[in-house]
Amino acid sequence: GAVVSQHPSWVICKSGTSVKIECRSLDFQATTMFWYRQFPKQSLMLMATSNEGSKATYEQGVEKDKFLINHASLTLSTLTVTSAHPEDSSFYICSARADRGRQNQPQHFGDGTRLSIL
Amino acid sequence: EDKVVQSPLSLVVHEGDTVTLNCSYEVTNFRSLLWYKQEKKAPTFLFMLTSSGIEKKSGRLSSILDKKELFSILNITATQTGDSAVYLCAPFQGAQKLVFGQGTRLTINP
Repeated sequence: GAVVSQHPSWVICKSGTSVKIECRSLDFQATTMFWYRQFPKQSLMLMATSNEGSKATYEQGVEKDKFLINHASLTLSTLTVTSAHPEDSSFYICSARADRGRQNQPQHFGDGTRLSIL
Repeated sequence: EDKVVQSPLSLVVHEGDTVTLNCSYEVTNFRSLLWYKQEKKAPTFLFMLTSSGIEKKSGRLSSILDKKELFSILNITATQTGDSAVYLCAPFQGAQKLVFGQGTRLTINP
């Protein structure tokens, strides 16, 4: 159980393009999903917390207009990198937490999306 | 400011050795701590530790938390090449936010 699917796994596109990444919880409902960014040989940095049916909560220094998050259902959150530039190239990972009415449940991660902007 | 420090950053051992990975943390509103294993893609969940002094065990892996001294250790006995990965420590800050350490890159040589 607790499978999270992320799509696509790899994207290469031209500078100025907008890219959408999907994160789905396959066998559980997740009112909260999380988006992370990871640079090579560095740890995961939380970008934003995605809440179903409401606005995402962004971490300090993350541009809301640059990284659009939509959490339209209990099993799907999307991250759109708008007008992507080479400095946005990174590994983006989503996670979801199975809500069972208890706090501090483990987050389960998708396989990540490697984004390369030319 | 929340801080998670893992040591060592990198460790190379031979198959069959036992390793101990360390994690010290300072986070506000600490609740519990998670360990993850990251190979080529996304992290996979290993343990969640909430209570101090109670060892959690899964096969050759075990972990324990010391809430007084603010650290946790992850032990792997009889290591195998498949244990090669980056091991991440992540305490909860508050109800849901995880703060990740830099990770320990473990390499097991045959």
